[in-house]
Amino acid sequence: NAGVTQTPKFQVLKTGQSMTLQCAQDMNHNSMYWYRQDPGMGLRLIYYSASEGTTDKGEVPNGYNVSRLNKREFSLRLESAAPSQTSVYFCASRISGTGGTEAFFGQGTRLTVV
Amino acid sequence: TQLLEQSPQFLSIQEGENLTVYCNSSSVFSSLQWYRQEPGEGPVLLVTVVTGGEVKKLKRLTFQFGDARKDSSLHITAAQPGDTGLYLCAGVLETSGSRLTFGEGTQLTVNP
Repeated sequence: NAGVTQTPKFQVLKTGQSMTLQCAQDMNHNSMYWYRQDPGMGLRLIYYSASEGTTDKGEVPNGYNVSRLNKREFSLRLESAAPSQTSVYFCASRISGTGGTEAFFGQGTRLTVV
Repeated sequence: TQLLEQSPQFLSIQEGENLTVYCNSSSVFSSLQWYRQEPGEGPVLLVTVVTGGEVKKLKRLTFQFGDARKDSSLHITAAQPGDTGLYLCAGVLETSGSRLTFGEGTQLTVNP
């Protein structure tokens, strides 16, 4: 009963390096999300995918790209990492379309860009 | 500008006190949720409200959705140290369908 699984849990990058954060859910949810959270702050939406085959920008999309690989997987790519992208990244999934359904979160990826 | 404005951002109180956290917007939401987050973990859902004027109670926590579905509040009665955590409101705009947006959060500390 894994829920939402994110990899890696920790990562240190040098400025300019690229990396992909992976996210997979096994709850058959149609919508998936990527958020970033800075210390003591709320979650800011980077990108989301309402359903397989669609992606949309959130509040802070600059410097990121996403891929909804299939219904289960939603990846986040940093093409050229910058120190301002140091943050904790959370992936989430939920059933969207009717009412207010619960979002389930992964454990987070703690990214440091030096 | 933040779509959902939460206040206060920080709150430190003594055990046994009551408190209210507010979540406000100028936009109409089809639903609003409250999550609680512990250090090192992802947020976990406390409650969802979908009807204007709706009030839900969860033990010592009372949640209210504004009549116009633009705001919500979380009231905790007789706070305990175990209530310490980051409280987040989140909502889906009536016009957006899937986009789930969070407020800035309220960091609550309850001192014994």
